[in-house]
Amino acid sequence: ELKVEQNPLFLSMQEGKNYTIYCNYSTTSDRLYWYRQDPGKSLESLFVLLSNGAVKQEGRLMASLDTKARLSTLHITAAVHDLSATYFCAVDRYSGNTPLVFGKGTRLSVIA
Amino acid sequence: DTEVTQTPKHLVMGMTNKKSLKCEQHMGHRAMYWYKQKAKKPPELMFVYSYEKLSINESVPSRFSPECPNSSLLNLHLHALQPEDSALYLCASSQAPLGFSYNEQFFGPGTRLTVL
Repeated sequence: ELKVEQNPLFLSMQEGKNYTIYCNYSTTSDRLYWYRQDPGKSLESLFVLLSNGAVKQEGRLMASLDTKARLSTLHITAAVHDLSATYFCAVDRYSGNTPLVFGKGTRLSVIA
Repeated sequence: DTEVTQTPKHLVMGMTNKKSLKCEQHMGHRAMYWYKQKAKKPPELMFVYSYEKLSINESVPSRFSPECPNSSLLNLHLHALQPEDSALYLCASSQAPLGFSYNEQFFGPGTRLTVL
């Protein structure tokens, strides 16, 4: 059974600080996805990582994938309040097949 | 059109009611999904349609009945629900059908369902 673990589950950080969210998964996969969810809203696709060593950046967020370590990271640079949300990583359940298995989510709160 | 739409946004129903949730996408996606999400939890997969055929049913109770009338439309029929079925119901679609390519899913805004 594929397990996806995120940590931390809760993160309170000050504006301007840097932090990293970690996503570990239990089986071989080279496809990992990051989603953002604002309270009461739907999920927004942030990053699609499709190969070992993939790195993608959008604004203050950067995601990377290490398939050998079965680890993805979401790095936040100089956090701002607008980044407050829940971030989910998700992994394809089967090699070459779907559907996704989601981590429990990291609830990020950026405070002044 | 690059979005997934869902109606209604909110639904309140009694345990004896029959209602339906509707999901629509016009991106030419070949896989569509229903998820259930409880507060502060990740989405839980319910059903997957691939090429308009039901591919995955995650052991969902029969009081939930999915339907895919065409490649753009996905319904979820609800009957005799329980209060514990109250949740946010999310529809998603992805470009490739199951077993092909990667699976970036695009989510609709959701229907917040309350069962009294």
